[in-house]
This record gives sequence, structure tokens and C-alpha cells, in this order.
Amino acid sequence: RKEVEQDPGPFNVPEGATVAFNCTYSNSASQSFFWYRQDCRKEPKLLMSVYSSGNEDGRFTAQLNRASQYISLLIRDSKLSDSATYLCVVNDPSGGYNKLIFGAGTRLAVHP
Amino acid sequence: DVKVTQSSRYLVKRTGEKVFLECVQDMDHENMFWYRQDPGLGLRLIYFSYDVKMKEKGDIPEGYSVSREKKERFSLILESASTNQTSMYLCASRRERGVKYNSPLHFGNGTRLTVT
Repeated sequence: RKEVEQDPGPFNVPEGATVAFNCTYSNSASQSFFWYRQDCRKEPKLLMSVYSSGNEDGRFTAQLNRASQYISLLIRDSKLSDSATYLCVVNDPSGGYNKLIFGAGTRLAVHP
Repeated sequence: DVKVTQSSRYLVKRTGEKVFLECVQDMDHENMFWYRQDPGLGLRLIYFSYDVKMKEKGDIPEGYSVSREKKERFSLILESASTNQTSMYLCASRRERGVKYNSPLHFGNGTRLTVT
């Protein structure tokens, strides 16, 4: 079982749609969770951290479910510019500090 | 704004060559990282460093070494390049120790290495 698993997609959605991605992680002791965004042929960039109580940043909402060991990302009112690959990132507590595990990513394609 | 600069965008090397990938960050970050990214596998950590002259193995260190002689510079070395090291290599830096502070990784724009 992979340590961080994501549905690779692609998710093809029209502009204005709401779309949600889930990501499951295997280590129940993980403490830090992030979503990164990666555009085609570009480097990953932090989209948002995920906090225990859930958090929102504009059209983006992140949730953490520790009992089921998954995090989610909800995008409302999708824009063409949201088309990218979304990477789920979780820390590996057994690897010491700074050890982050990346999922393989979920690809989102927003069409007109 | 943090800047992480990788010396080459594209590199083509022959099997058996020694390859140096250079990375420089301008924000006095303690932590620096080398990842490789392959389709379907995500980013995998090769090595990281939390201080000058300090290094830690990541998940896939075999065939690689690193050097951190100055705080701003972190080099990845392929001692004898092989075709299975063809990949996208990403350098990153991070402001402080420990993930609990949730400070982000800042990535360079990557080096696409092809070993023939």
C-alpha cells in the first residue's frame, strides 16, 4: 500500500463546477498535511496547509479526517486557471523532521 | 519572495558520466532538499540537509551523493550516471526545522536530466 494515495484522474469539469479530491495516508501518526499545486512542466507550489479543524482560502476548502486517515480538497466555482495537478503531501513521522511524502497527484482539467 | 535557482533546466549526459546538479537559495533557509519526480510515482526524496555540511538520506539515496559547503548551496551528484536516473530533479528549501510549523517547501523550477 502506498503511503499517500490519490486518484490520478483526470477530473474533467466545466467552469463553475464544484470538484473534490481525496487523499488517503497510511501512517496514523502523521501530523502535517498540505496541498500543493503543480502546473504542467512547472515546479510544485504550496496551495494550502490543512489544519485539524479544516480551513478555507477563497474558493478552496481543505478538510482532515484523522479517524479515516484522509484529507480532502474542495474547489468551488472552478476556473480555467485551476487546471493543474494537485499533490497531497503528508509528513512521515518515522523519518524524522522534514520528511514529507508526496502523493502522485490528481489531475484537474477545467473546460469552458 | 523566495528564490530557488537550479543551474540547468535541461541536461543530457552519457551513461557513466559524473553529473553535478546545483541549487542555490537566497533566503537563508536552513533546510534544503533534492527530489526526483517520475510519472505515476510522485516526488521522492533523495537527500536533504538541515545545516551546512549536514546531510540525511531520503527514500532513494542509492547512486547519489550531496554536498552542502555553504548554507545557500546544495549540490546533487550522480557519481556514475545510469539510464534509470533519467528524471526530473527538483531542489527545494524550507525556512525552519520541523514540519509542525507548516512552513512550505519552495521549489526550484527543476532540471530535466536525460542519461543516454
